[in-house]
Amino acid sequence: EVQLVQSGAEVKKSGESLKISCKGSGYRFSKSWIGWVRQMPGKGLEWMGVIYPGDSDTRYSPSFQGQVTISADKSISTAYLQWSSLKASDTAMYYCARGGDPPNGMDVWGQGTTVIVSS
Amino acid sequence: QSALTQPASVSGSPGQSITISCTGTSSDVGGYEYVSWYQQHPGKAPKLIIYEVSDRPSGVPDRFSGSKSGNTASLTISGLQAVDEADYFCSSYTTTGLPVFGGGTKLTVL
Repeated sequence: EVQLVQSGAEVKKSGESLKISCKGSGYRFSKSWIGWVRQMPGKGLEWMGVIYPGDSDTRYSPSFQGQVTISADKSISTAYLQWSSLKASDTAMYYCARGGDPPNGMDVWGQGTTVIVSS
Repeated sequence: QSALTQPASVSGSPGQSITISCTGTSSDVGGYEYVSWYQQHPGKAPKLIIYEVSDRPSGVPDRFSGSKSGNTASLTISGLQAVDEADYFCSSYTTTGLPVFGGGTKLTVL
């Protein structure tokens, strides 16, 4: 079964760092794009960025460039999303998703990771 | 890049058909055959229901169909069922090398 399993919910304070993960299984992890999507409470979906684990080609949406870092370790089929200094406005659900080339039709989604940041 | 434009809400009665539009520009919807649609029920992860404008993943009922004309893509759901009540998001690949979402449409089945 093809699946993406994300790390568990996080409760952090403003200014702290955080790295969440997304582990793929059941397919060749290095051969598909992984995208990260933010969904703030009661709001829509926003693409944060995408990474191709095969060559680490990484692209960030302008709103998130410089705010987060996306990475992947293809040896353990895991992608990451990290913050160096969280803000209360980072409180949201974060999803990872798998897509073809070019990155768009994302056919497999992780279960989501809730991040709560208190000020 | 700017979000694609979708109506905030649509509604229909069981058995009817509804269409949700998704308007972009020549830099996204109009420039590529890479428009996708996602269904999201409350508290759940999004689910891909249409990719490459009009293709359906395995397991998605043929009541769901997609099309595109110029800079506007559309999702049509025929034979509306109560289970279709959800949020729907379009997404398109763009000239930036990234996809972009629409703002989302809440479908209410009356």
